[in-house]
Amino acid sequence: QEQLVESGGGLVQPGGSLRLSCATSGFTFLSYAMHWVRQAPGKGLEWVAAISYNGGEKDYADSVKGRFTISRDNSKSTLYLQMDSLRPDDTAVYYCARGGFIYGLYYFDYWGQGTLATVSS
Amino acid sequence: EIVLTQSPGTLSLSPGERATLSCRASQSVASSYLAWYQQKPGQAPRLLIYGASNRATGIPDRFSGSGSGTDFTFTISRLEPEDFAVYYCLHYGDSLRGTFGQGTKVEIK
Repeated sequence: QEQLVESGGGLVQPGGSLRLSCATSGFTFLSYAMHWVRQAPGKGLEWVAAISYNGGEKDYADSVKGRFTISRDNSKSTLYLQMDSLRPDDTAVYYCARGGFIYGLYYFDYWGQGTLATVSS
Repeated sequence: EIVLTQSPGTLSLSPGERATLSCRASQSVASSYLAWYQQKPGQAPRLLIYGASNRATGIPDRFSGSGSGTDFTFTISRLEPEDFAVYYCLHYGDSLRGTFGQGTKVEIK
């Protein structure tokens, strides 16, 4: 059974850093692209970053480019998001999601429960 | 960059009624890359429809999707009490980047 469990959220001051982790199990992690998606309080879903199955390709939303770094450790089946130079508008629940696919159809199929990152002084 | 615009922002309906939600893309997109999600308060999004019209595993047949090009539609044929939630469309697949619509809230009238 596919499981994704985020951790690492918390309260941090503006300009600070956080490292989020997403531990996965129940599927062949190294076969899938992985994503981070966030949701600010009372707002909609915002795609944040993605990494290809082997880590060779990465992409970021313009709002986080140059401040956030996505990475993965396929030996540990774990996804990471290093968040630096944090701003109050980065406050959100951060979800990790698997980039699923079948017969040329693509979607985010499995999601974690989310971890809350709060940026405030 | 693709922008997805969902309408209406809020839909007020009664149980048993039909809900029709729209997702319009700023440029033509492949149906293969269009998905729909349901999100309830305090929960992660749940995949309902992928490839514009394919129901995900375990999703009841009252949920359906259609469309092509720039216009996509998500329909709940008869609303059940548990269907009142926020619904999002997602474009993903022609690159690593994902794009969500801003969401449609289906609320009880």
